[in-house]
Amino acid sequence: QSVLTQPPSVSGAPGQRVTISCTGSSSNIGAGYDVHWFQQLPGAAPRLLIYGNNNRPSGVPDRISGSKSGTSASLAFTGLQAEDEADYYCQSHDISLSGYVFGTGTKVTVL
Amino acid sequence: EVQLVESGGALVQPGGSLRLSCSASGFTFSRYDMHWVRQVTGKGLEWVSTIGTPGDTHYPGSVKGRFTISRENARDSLYLQMNTLRAEDTAVYYCARSQYYDNNWYFDLWGRGTLVTVSS
Repeated sequence: QSVLTQPPSVSGAPGQRVTISCTGSSSNIGAGYDVHWFQQLPGAAPRLLIYGNNNRPSGVPDRISGSKSGTSASLAFTGLQAEDEADYYCQSHDISLSGYVFGTGTKVTVL
Repeated sequence: EVQLVESGGALVQPGGSLRLSCSASGFTFSRYDMHWVRQVTGKGLEWVSTIGTPGDTHYPGSVKGRFTISRENARDSLYLQMNTLRAEDTAVYYCARSQYYDNNWYFDLWGRGTLVTVSS
């Protein structure tokens, strides 16, 4: 049962800017825990995309960025590309559950 | 090459048991907290268990008392013993490594997963 809420889907044309929201609560994101993002291509394992709200691991292009404010976070794609078509999940830590929580997941479609 | 490889997934009857394994390579296994995360086909990710470097373990309520995570640093291996399995435990189980900083954790390395199907 996911405690972080994401929109089920977002779409955009190549080159457009799209964002994915991740809404939590005072027991996770609002408690000061950072948000991390994962990309999952069809049939593949999740891959780390953003850590610590806005840090990119090596190999992730700088047109992908993250941010956090209050009890929410966002993942943004500036200049959407066909290779961005995938499922995306946010993740944080929850103090009430004493464990890790994931978002509900968002499917990005490139039109 | 830095990687995690899971094994042990199978078809098992409700109420049965299964042991998953995860073999690590390319990094110093003993220095990292390790985890199991599962995903029902077509659904989202769910954290299943964690074992810290000192051997401390943590579980969500959905599996606490039924699943046991363990590690064998000499073999660079992680395990998940699953007992009293239910249909809702059917999922792909991923082994994952985490990084820690400033009271935060993130999963930086994932295996390809192993499928567990609980059905009669």
